[in-house]
Amino acid sequence: GAVVSQHPSRVICKSGTSVKIECRSLDFQATTMFWYRQFPKQSLMLMATSNEGSKATYEQGVEKDKFLINHASLTLSTLTVTSAHPEDSSFYICSAKIMNTEAFFGQGTRLTVV
Amino acid sequence: QKEVEQNSGPLSVPEGAIASLNCTYSDRGSQSFFWYRQYSGKSPELIMFIYSNGDKEDGRFTAQLNKASQYVSLLIRDSQPSDSATYLCAVNQGNTDKLIFGTGTRLQVFP
Repeated sequence: GAVVSQHPSRVICKSGTSVKIECRSLDFQATTMFWYRQFPKQSLMLMATSNEGSKATYEQGVEKDKFLINHASLTLSTLTVTSAHPEDSSFYICSAKIMNTEAFFGQGTRLTVV
Repeated sequence: QKEVEQNSGPLSVPEGAIASLNCTYSDRGSQSFFWYRQYSGKSPELIMFIYSNGDKEDGRFTAQLNKASQYVSLLIRDSQPSDSATYLCAVNQGNTDKLIFGTGTRLQVFP
């Protein structure tokens, strides 16, 4: 299957700082990338949908000014958590897909805000 | 609210048995159905997808879809301890690419 690489896999940051997470499709050009958040013992919650060259579409309840998404190319999308707080600590996962195919997930990023 | 529902489990089966995982969904417009396996602390990995009513088999896995009943299931034959994980059912939202995930069923296969 296609490979999606997410970096970093783990990050610890201080409250009030910003963290950037990268999601790359390594062997295909992704028409769409998705960002999810997963709290312990809960399912994946879609945060936003990102298409190359256009603004991301955020799900209801997700603050677009706090979770900045940039999809600069067909192989790279970034999620920046701005002014992170402890309640933002979670497992963030990206997925990428080509039109009319299944989505492939990155390895996930464990964010801990202290 | 469009939902995907799964029994959280744990579902415990002995090694070699058939594990049956079930999922119901509320959005009648959904066309694509996926089963993912997620090990603790890891990202989900795709097991199977199914688009049409009926059964789809891939090795030890069989996905079953019944759109009239809004029901999708996953059967795992000859269950192995390495199959122990959380299984997530995912359904596309309407005619979009967005996936709505269930909360997952934790499967435990004991030797």
